[in-house]
Amino acid sequence: DGGITQSPKYLFRKEGQNVTLSCEQNLNHDAMYWYRQDPGQGLRLIYYSQIVNDFQKGDIAEGYSVSREKKESFPLTVTSAQKNPTAFYLCASSILIGEHEQYFGPGTRLTVT
Amino acid sequence: AQKVTQAQTEISVVEKEDVTLDCVYETRDTTYYLFWYKQPPSGELVFLIRRNSFDEQNEISGRYSWNFQKSTSSFNFTITASQVVDSAVYFCALSEARTGRRALTFGSGTRLQVQP
Repeated sequence: DGGITQSPKYLFRKEGQNVTLSCEQNLNHDAMYWYRQDPGQGLRLIYYSQIVNDFQKGDIAEGYSVSREKKESFPLTVTSAQKNPTAFYLCASSILIGEHEQYFGPGTRLTVT
Repeated sequence: AQKVTQAQTEISVVEKEDVTLDCVYETRDTTYYLFWYKQPPSGELVFLIRRNSFDEQNEISGRYSWNFQKSTSSFNFTITASQVVDSAVYFCALSEARTGRRALTFGSGTRLQVQP
């Protein structure tokens, strides 16, 4: 089945550690995205990529980094510089950026203590 | 700048009631796209509908219907005869096609609780 996978579902880390969240899609979509969701709030865009080897900062990129070496993969690293990393992280993809609907993965809930 | 406002934070209805979720948007672009997504308790967002700025026709899909009015910059979502399975958080979102932000801007969401 085509879709987006994120792993793991739950992730626990100690403060000061970097952590990488996985996102893989087999939909052959060019655009991929990372969002952060805090309890009771909407989604905020962290980074997005329109094509392989290219990505742009979203609204809250500080403390995060990404790479897009393959079309199907868009991993997100939460660095120790991110002041409040505990959140629900959602990855999405779309055929192209803009007019096309995005399809979302199941999300990773990150807890940093 | 683009903005999406969902003023209703939470709505509670009894099963079989009709309910309308409001969405108001702001954009300077003449070409834009509006979306609705559903987020059930599992957390994964589910795409419901896309509407472009040139198509103001209302759309109906089963118990769901959408009312797009450019004059009031609104894109409201109505669920007819609500069911418990409709309980979720619903997000409205906007993308601008030309001059502005092409990635989605989401509203803060409306939590719908349908009581049996």
